[in-house]
Formats: sequence, structure tokens, C-alpha cells
Amino acid sequence: AQRVTQPEKLLSVFKGAPVELKCNYSYSGSPELFWYVQYSRQRLQLLLRHISRESIKGFTADLNKGETSFHLKKPFAQEEDSAMYYCALSLLNNAGNMLTFGGGTRLMVKP
Amino acid sequence: KAGVTQTPRYLIKTRGQQVTLSCSPISGHRSVSWYQQTPGQGLQFLFEYFSETQRNKGNFPGRFSGRQFSNSRSEMNVSTLELGDSALYLCASSLAGAQTEAFFGQGTRLTVV
Repeated sequence: AQRVTQPEKLLSVFKGAPVELKCNYSYSGSPELFWYVQYSRQRLQLLLRHISRESIKGFTADLNKGETSFHLKKPFAQEEDSAMYYCALSLLNNAGNMLTFGGGTRLMVKP
Repeated sequence: KAGVTQTPRYLIKTRGQQVTLSCSPISGHRSVSWYQQTPGQGLQFLFEYFSETQRNKGNFPGRFSGRQFSNSRSEMNVSTLELGDSALYLCASSLAGAQTEAFFGQGTRLTVV
């Protein structure tokens, strides 16, 4: 069975510092990886996904199949980046929309 | 356009009762998924419905069930409620294809006492 691990429950950085939120997955097949974000009092929403290879709000994520990781990075954190971040996996051979989520990392960006 | 709407927002039920939660997807979205969120287990997939058929199912007991109507609206039902069913239940809608972006509702907070 597939599994997603986010080893840090809380990550605290100062404004302007680089940020890396870690995500590791276990799955023997081909996964599609996502990062979802939940800002305070807002709904869970898609931040970015591997297949689109976009940079959203300055965040990027690279899929490393050798290390089975999909870490989320931003070179300079902003206070408005403070939120809960979830890494999620979907199976490419699954004809549907079924996400396996990691436990989440709360990012706090201090002024 | 309107987002995913879940009703009710809050529910308090007694052990042994049953409950029905409702989800209205974004117009044009035909896939509806349900997730349970708890502090201990995090976000866990319950099931997905597409064109009134269950397309995927997570590892939850049979007390958890769902259905989808012809207008893509979905309901989930939990029978014989247990204290451990207390959670935030999230609904997400997606376009018809696979691995498409999931748009989440604000959730229904269920408390079982």
C-alpha cells in the first residue's frame, strides 16, 4: 500500500529565509505527487503538482524517484506563507481521484 | 463560480445514532470524494463517486457508506456512530478525469457524544 510521510509537524523560519518542507513516499508504481495548502480559516487547496512542473507563489517541488521524495522549497519565505502544508499522492494507474495524504507540516514564518 | 458546499457545518450526535452529510460539488464536476480528518490519523480517504457509481473505496468499515445523485451531489452516511467517528469530514469535487485537481469544501465537523 502507498504511504506518504512528512517528518516535520512544525517548521518555523524567519521571513526571508529559505524553506524546505520534506515529503517522502513509498509506492512501487508510478505516483502523481501534489502539495496542498490550508491557510488559516480557508479551505484545503492545491498548491502545485509534479506533472505540471509549475512554480506557484515561489514554491517548487522536484520529484526524486531514487529517494522517493517530493520536497517543497521556496528560496525566501514570506509571512503569508504561514499555513498547513500537506503532501499527497495519487496512483497513476488508478482511474479516479483518490489521494493519500501525509500528516502535514505547519509552517510558521516569523517577522 | 460557487465552490464545494457541505452541509451541515456542525453536528452533534449520540453514540449509536446515524448521520447523513451532504456535499454539493462545483458545477460541471462529476467526481466527488470524501475524506475523514482527525488529529491522530490525519486525512484519510473514505470513497469516491463518479456518475453515481463508487469508483474507489478506502479502508473504512461498512458503517460508512455514500451515494451520488444524477446531479453529482453526494451524501455520506455513518450508521451506529462511535466516539471515534468524531472528526472533520471533507468533501472534494473534481472534473471527470483521473488525478485531476481536487477542490475541497469547508467540511462538516461531527462530534459524537
